[in-house]
Amino acid sequence: AQTVTQSQPEMSVQEAETVTLSCTYDTSESDYYLFWYKQPPSRQMILVIRQEAYKQQNATENRFSVNFQKAAKSFSLKISDSQLGDAAMYFCAYSPGAQKLVFGQGTRLTINP
Amino acid sequence: DTGVSQNPRHKITKRGQNVTFRCDPISEHNRLYWYRQTLGQGPEFLTYFQNEAQLEKSRLLSDRFSAERPKGSFSTLEIQRTEQGDSAMYLCASSLQGTGGWYEQYFGPGTRLTVT
Repeated sequence: AQTVTQSQPEMSVQEAETVTLSCTYDTSESDYYLFWYKQPPSRQMILVIRQEAYKQQNATENRFSVNFQKAAKSFSLKISDSQLGDAAMYFCAYSPGAQKLVFGQGTRLTINP
Repeated sequence: DTGVSQNPRHKITKRGQNVTFRCDPISEHNRLYWYRQTLGQGPEFLTYFQNEAQLEKSRLLSDRFSAERPKGSFSTLEIQRTEQGDSAMYLCASSLQGTGGWYEQYFGPGTRLTVT
């Protein structure tokens, strides 16, 4: 069974600093997708960034970037120049294709002004 | 385009009662997913539809749960004889699935169910 593990229940960072959220996953598939989703308090889940497993290049979206280590089955999210609006629950997720998402337990990120 | 909508947003019910939730996906989206999220956890997949066909159901979806998507538009999720363990946020997501690849799932705000 595919599983996603986020070992950091909570993280905090000073505004304008950089923070890295960790994620590991387990799968026997060779082709799949990995995601980071953001869930602000009382608001809906939104996609932050996506990585296709067949791509060696790490995905980047503005201040958000990933470190994808396929052999280690590791997929971390780096947030640069943290802003107060980045405060949220962050979920790492996996999908073997055009199917369901398998989510990790989440990391609550606090931004300190 | 107003995004994915879910109704009601909150539902409080007594144990043993039946409840029904509705999800309206983004128009023209052919895929519709249901997830359940308990407090402090990540969402767990329940089921999904391609148009009106239900393609996969999780083992989490006991026989008390049923989902439909008549005419491939909105979807309903019904829970019969609710139990306290059913208390959770029920999330709906939709996507426009083409051939191959992955297409972004857009999530609704969820329906929070409390079973007393």
